[in-house]
Amino acid sequence: DAKTTQPPSMDCAEGRAANLPCNHSTISGNEYVYWYRQIHSQGPQYIIHGLKNNETNEMASLIITEDRKSSTLILPHATLRDTAVYYCISGYSTLTFGKGTMLLVSP
Amino acid sequence: EPEVTQTPSHQVTQMGQEVILRCVPISNHLYFYWYRQILGQKVEFLVSFYNNEISEKSEIFDDQFSVERPDGSNFTLKIRSTKLEDSAMYFCASSEEHTFSNYNEQFFGPGTRLTVL
Repeated sequence: DAKTTQPPSMDCAEGRAANLPCNHSTISGNEYVYWYRQIHSQGPQYIIHGLKNNETNEMASLIITEDRKSSTLILPHATLRDTAVYYCISGYSTLTFGKGTMLLVSP
Repeated sequence: EPEVTQTPSHQVTQMGQEVILRCVPISNHLYFYWYRQILGQKVEFLVSFYNNEISEKSEIFDDQFSVERPDGSNFTLKIRSTKLEDSAMYFCASSEEHTFSNYNEQFFGPGTRLTVL
């Protein structure tokens, strides 16, 4: 079973920041936090990962709390093409997907 | 940009038949994976493969399943005797080598939709 919990769905207006929360309270010291997304039955797509520090790349930012028990994925300017299921996963190399958060970006 | 490719995009088979799903991972990648997603359900890990052997497998990956890297470029998933419940989207993925201090993301293919009648 997935070791993370996420809200089942969220809405965001186009152009606004989307902040997707994730709880991973049982994460162990050497496990990463990864975020992937799946757009309408396509293969999952990597977004970002982190261990302890906050991370930013061209797609998103990842904010990890100091105790590492939760994190937030930030899409700074959501577009309609960001509508997808977003998965927060904790672990080392094997990906155990949960149900994720269905993010709906609307005009 | 390099990508993982999978063939066929859709496979229809009769229950009890053998199927082989094919994947071409990204050329310099060393880790290969199969996942499946039953319609409307979660993506489920099946198996990972490294250095010509299975490195990890899930409970789903029973004796009916096997994987092979027959020629250095293809990576295949064989289901020996398909069941109705094997109907799903099957995703192949590949990644560079993982180390303890460096995670390398998995790149997923577009999937093969398997329909067992």
